[in-house]
Amino acid sequence: QKEVEQNSGPLSVPEGAIASLNCTYSDRGSQSFFWYRQYSGKSPELIMSIYSNGDKEDGRFTAQLNKASQYVSLLIRDSQPSDSATYLCAVHSGGGADGLTFGKGTHLIIQP
Amino acid sequence: KAGVTQTPRYLIKTRGQQVTLSCSPISGHRSVSWYQQTPGQGLQFLFEYFSETQRNKGNFPGRFSGRQFSNSRSEMNVSTLELGDSALYLCASKTGGLNTEAFFGQGTRLTVV
Repeated sequence: QKEVEQNSGPLSVPEGAIASLNCTYSDRGSQSFFWYRQYSGKSPELIMSIYSNGDKEDGRFTAQLNKASQYVSLLIRDSQPSDSATYLCAVHSGGGADGLTFGKGTHLIIQP
Repeated sequence: KAGVTQTPRYLIKTRGQQVTLSCSPISGHRSVSWYQQTPGQGLQFLFEYFSETQRNKGNFPGRFSGRQFSNSRSEMNVSTLELGDSALYLCASKTGGLNTEAFFGQGTRLTVV
């Protein structure tokens, strides 16, 4: 059973600080990793994708992947109140059999 | 470029009925996947269609089915609705590669009473 684990939170971070969101996955064959942001009552919005070990930066967002540790993280710099949302980690095995496997999400609250 | 469009946005159905949901992917995208989101189970993969063929399937009963048309639009059907089928149904489109990025539509909120 492929699993993706996230701390459900809530994770409370002061405005302007760095928010760090973490995710672990069980399938060592996983090849692609994604972070989605979901506001209450809305659909998931893709923020970042990462495919190889290391860091990938896009604006205020940095995704980090460590396949040996089966660990993915998302850093949000200069956090804004508009970043308050649920962040979903999604993993694709690469074998293509199961679609994306999602974690339950981390609820992030940015305090003004 | 228009995003993924799902219709209808909201549906209320009675237990035992059937329902059909529609999804139009981003122009040029050939893969459409369907997901069910509930508070208890989170987002779960239903199935994926690529070039009118079901490419992948999740662990859902046969009451859940789908199809894809030659223009890449997809429909999902749920027969003999149960109360537990109440959920947000999300469609995601991607260009076609198995590991490429998936973009979600607004979802269809289905309530079974």
